[in-house]
Amino acid sequence: EDQVTQSPEALRLQEGESSSLNCSYTVSGLRGLFWYRQDPGKGPEFLFTLYSAGEEKEKERLKATLTKKESFLHITAPKPEDSATYLCAVQAAQGGSYIPTFGRGTSLIVHP
Amino acid sequence: NAGVTQTPKFQVLKTGQSMTLQCAQDMNHNSMYWYRQDPGMGLRLIYYSASEGTTDKGEVPNGYNVSRLNKREFSLRLESAAPSQTSVYFCATSGPPNQPQHFGDGTRLSIL
Repeated sequence: EDQVTQSPEALRLQEGESSSLNCSYTVSGLRGLFWYRQDPGKGPEFLFTLYSAGEEKEKERLKATLTKKESFLHITAPKPEDSATYLCAVQAAQGGSYIPTFGRGTSLIVHP
Repeated sequence: NAGVTQTPKFQVLKTGQSMTLQCAQDMNHNSMYWYRQDPGMGLRLIYYSASEGTTDKGEVPNGYNVSRLNKREFSLRLESAAPSQTSVYFCATSGPPNQPQHFGDGTRLSIL
């Protein structure tokens, strides 16, 4: 059974204090790993897709990396507006359905 | 350019009442999904539709039914609401395999 585990569950940072969120996964035949950001009262918003080990994607203060067992979302010099829940989802080819499996998310709070 | 639209945004029901949650997309995506999100549980798949005319059960289908009315619309029905179905419900769409999902902003449903 595919599993996706995100850690930590919650993270509090001071503005400017860099850190990383982890997404560990066990799937057969990874097709893609997705990072989403979710603000309170909103639906998840797509951030990045990673397809193969060694791949990296960047957007503003966020950088996502991928190995064969885990992905990291690095947040450099975060600002209060980066506060949100960050979700990781893994997609594998299961009988052709491509249904993603989501982790439970990391709730990030950045204090000014 | 609405993307994924869910109606209603909020609803309060009494136990035993029925209700249909609506989802419409203008992204021309083939696949559509219904999730529920509960504190500490992450996103759990209720039903999905890989293409117009097909629907399949997800992780937690009991107590729900769905209809893929056409390519744009995918509805979720609660025939006899129970307090355990109090949750936030998200509709999502996706295009070709290996591409990310796009989410609506959710329906917040309370069952008393």
